[in-house]
Amino acid sequence: EAEVAQSPRYKITEKSQAVAFWCDPISGHATLYWYRQILGQGPELLVQFQDESVVDDSQLPKDRFSAERLKGVDSTLKIQPAELGDSAMYLCASSLVVERELFFGEGSRLTVL
Amino acid sequence: GENVEQHPSTLSVQEGDSAVIKCTYSDSASNYFPWYKQELGKGPQLIIDIRSNVGEKKDQRIAVTLNKTAKHFSLHITETQPEDSAVYFCAASGPGYSSASKIIFGSGTRLSIRP
Repeated sequence: EAEVAQSPRYKITEKSQAVAFWCDPISGHATLYWYRQILGQGPELLVQFQDESVVDDSQLPKDRFSAERLKGVDSTLKIQPAELGDSAMYLCASSLVVERELFFGEGSRLTVL
Repeated sequence: GENVEQHPSTLSVQEGDSAVIKCTYSDSASNYFPWYKQELGKGPQLIIDIRSNVGEKKDQRIAVTLNKTAKHFSLHITETQPEDSAVYFCAASGPGYSSASKIIFGSGTRLSIRP
C-alpha cells in the first residue's frame, strides 16, 4: 500500500539552529500539505502545494519557515532559526484532488531545547 | 476564516456502548466534513466523510450526521471496541481550488474504551 514518507521521524535541536523536514507524497498525488500539530491540538495547515505551486501559505511564519516543492513531487520544510515554540509534530499529507481524502505520513517530531 | 470547535476533549465509554463526538463550524460555505482517527505515533487517517448535500452517512459501526442550518455535525460510534481507542478529529472544508478549500481541523477528542 502506498504511503507518504517523512524524515526524520524525530529531531532534537537547540534554539537558533536550522532544521529541515522532507516529505515524499504518494505517487501521482498533485496536492501536498504541511501541517503542524502541537501536542493536544488538531493539525494546523502551514502550506499547501498544487504541483510545484503554493496554493496557500497564509499561516506559514515566513520570517523563519520556508517550504518548497521544486519538481512537484517531494517537498522540504525548513525552519531557521528554530524557536522553543516550534516544538511540535510536523505532518505531511497528500491528496489526489483538493478537498478529498488526505493521506498523512507518520510525521516528524521536533523538540527545540 | 473557518473555525471548527469540537467537544468533548476526552471521552471514556464502556466497551460495547456508543460514543458521540460533536463539532460546530462557522463558515456556511463549507461543504465537506471529514473525520480522522489518529492512533499513537501515527498520522491521522480518514474514517468517514460527509458532504453538505447529505444529512447522514453510515459505514458499519460509524455514522456521521450533518445539520447545515445549525452548522454542526457529529460522529457516532456504536458497539465500541478496544481498537476504537484513539484521538478523533473533525474537520471542515470549503469548495473549490483556493485557500477557501483548505481543511480546518477541530482540536480533537481522546476516546478511551473501558474493558
